[in-house]
Amino acid sequence: AQSVTQPDIHITVSEGASLELRCNYSYGATPYLFWYVQSPGQGLQLLLKYFSGDTLVQGIKGFEAEFKRSQSSFNLRKPSVHWSDAAEYFCAVVSNYKLTFGKGTLLTVNP
Amino acid sequence: DAGVIQSPRHEVTEMGQEVTLRCKPISGHDYLFWYRQTMMRGLELLIYFNNNVPIDDSGMPEDRFSAKMPNASFSTLKIQPSEPRDSAVYFCASSSGRPLYEQYFGPGTRLTVT
Repeated sequence: AQSVTQPDIHITVSEGASLELRCNYSYGATPYLFWYVQSPGQGLQLLLKYFSGDTLVQGIKGFEAEFKRSQSSFNLRKPSVHWSDAAEYFCAVVSNYKLTFGKGTLLTVNP
Repeated sequence: DAGVIQSPRHEVTEMGQEVTLRCKPISGHDYLFWYRQTMMRGLELLIYFNNNVPIDDSGMPEDRFSAKMPNASFSTLKIQPSEPRDSAVYFCASSSGRPLYEQYFGPGTRLTVT
């Protein structure tokens, strides 16, 4: 069965610093991968997705993610974090039309 | 478009009571998904519909949970009787199927069962 692991439960960065959130997946075939963001009290918003092709995908809000098949990873990056990026981030993989989510990484941004 | 609409946003009820959560998907979306989010289990898919028909309900925890989609613009998730362990945030999401996997989430209903 497919699964997603986000090794970091909580990450704290300073505003303006770079960010990388880790995501590892377990899936037999070519995965369809997503990153979602959840602000406090809000639903999930799609940041970016990978289906095929270029392994570096660009998303909204200045985020990007790189698919690495050899490492079974799909890490999320941002070169300079803004205070408004503080939220919880979820990686997800699709199988049989269903999304399987990781447990999430909570991002705190210090001024 | 108003996005996915869920009501109520917050629900507090006593154990044993019936709870009904409501969802209005984005107009034109053929797929509707119900998720539950808890600290212990994270985000779990409960059930999803395609063209108002339930396709996969393998995530529904037990018979106390039921979901319906009487038409393309409305779905309900019902818990009867409710138990304290049902306390969670319940999300509804919809998708046009193009691309199939891109789902749009509602703001969620925070359910507390005392």
